[in-house]
This record gives sequence, C-alpha cells and structure tokens, in this order.
Amino acid sequence: QVQLQESGPGLVKPSETLSLTCTVSGGSISNYYWGWIRQPPGKGLEWIGHIYYSGTSNYNPSLESRVTISVDTSKNQFSLMLNSVTAADTAVFYCARASLSRIGGSIYYSYYMDVWGKGTTVTVSS
Amino acid sequence: SYELTQPPSVSVSPGQTASITCSGNKLGDKSACWYQQKPGQSPVLVIYQDTKRPSGVPERFSGSNSGNTATLTISGTRAMDEADYYCQTRDSSTVVFGGGTRLTVL
Repeated sequence: QVQLQESGPGLVKPSETLSLTCTVSGGSISNYYWGWIRQPPGKGLEWIGHIYYSGTSNYNPSLESRVTISVDTSKNQFSLMLNSVTAADTAVFYCARASLSRIGGSIYYSYYMDVWGKGTTVTVSS
Repeated sequence: SYELTQPPSVSVSPGQTASITCSGNKLGDKSACWYQQKPGQSPVLVIYQDTKRPSGVPERFSGSNSGNTATLTISGTRAMDEADYYCQTRDSSTVVFGGGTRLTVL
C-alpha cells in the first residue's frame, strides 16, 4: 500500500526557509494531488497547499506569499518550502495524498486525503 | 474566506450514539469528509464524500450532509473512539478544516 514519509530539518532559525520533502512509496505519484498540512502544538489542522502530479498547485491564501510546493515525479517526491519563518510556524507537518472529483453535474468538488505521513516536527527557534 | 465550525467537545457514554456537527454556509451543496486523530498519531480518514466509509473503517461510523450542517455519527461508541475529529471541505480551490471536536467516552 502507498506510504508517505516526511523528511527535513527539525530546527529552523527565524527568518530562514523551512524545507521538507515527502517521499511516496508503494505506488505512483501520478493522478493524485499531494498536500501539506500542519498542526501547531495543541491546535487543529491547517491546510498549507497541494500540488497535482502535473505541477499545478494551490495554496492557503493566508500562507500563499511564503509557500512553494514542488513535485519531482522521477523521484516520487514532492516538497514544501516556507520562507521567512517565525515561532508561529512551529508545528507538526504532515504530507498527504488527496483525491479531487466533481460532484455529479454541480460546480462543486469532492476532496479528501486518504493517505497521510507520520508527520515531522519542525521548531522555529534561534 | 470559508469557515467550518465544530463544537470543541462532545461527551458520550460507552455504547451510546455520538453526533459531531460541522457547520458552514451551504455546506450541503459541497462535499464533506471527516478525520479521526488520536494523540500522537496522524489523522485518519473515516468518512468521505459525505457518507462513504473507507475500507477498514467500522460500520458504526456514518456521515450525513444537508443544508448548512454535516454530521458524523458514531453508533455504539467504544472507548477506542475517543479522539479528536475534524471535518473538511473544499471551497474555491482551497481546502478548509473545521477547528476539531474532542470526543470523550465517559
């Protein structure tokens, strides 16, 4: 079955760039969306953004100016870059596989994340 | 921006039915899903496309979505169902989570 594994530094200094990679194993990166979600200590889930295997991406408007998500299909990996980090960016970061499909003949879409990585903790501190 | 509202906490006795609501403007026109998250673990999808259960999710988990409210129902709640539950939908190419509900099985 498909498994996801996040990797990257656990400590980032304020004002620097947080970089994480998610490696997809047990299946192809094709035909799915691949997303990043974070969870600050003791708080809820926040969607950061996602990328389609072809390279199309969407981001949370509140983070869009600082976020870039990229995909490398040859390595079955996708990556997150979050720049100008502050202590408020300290969180557990999860990567996930997502499915998107139109709901019948409506203008709305079904979107859900069915495979998640174990998460990696990133602390922003000097 | 679109918002989803959940009650912070819900309590239920073992064997009883727990209902967790998720409210958002015309949410019934969209599609909702639900995740279960236990302490120290990653979220797990328990309901998608309003009512569907992924393989491996017990039948006691069910979902509905109409009007402005999606509901996750757990019938015959067990101690192992104690967890945080998050609803999620998609609006204007962005993904939105509810604030989460802590389910306590007393």
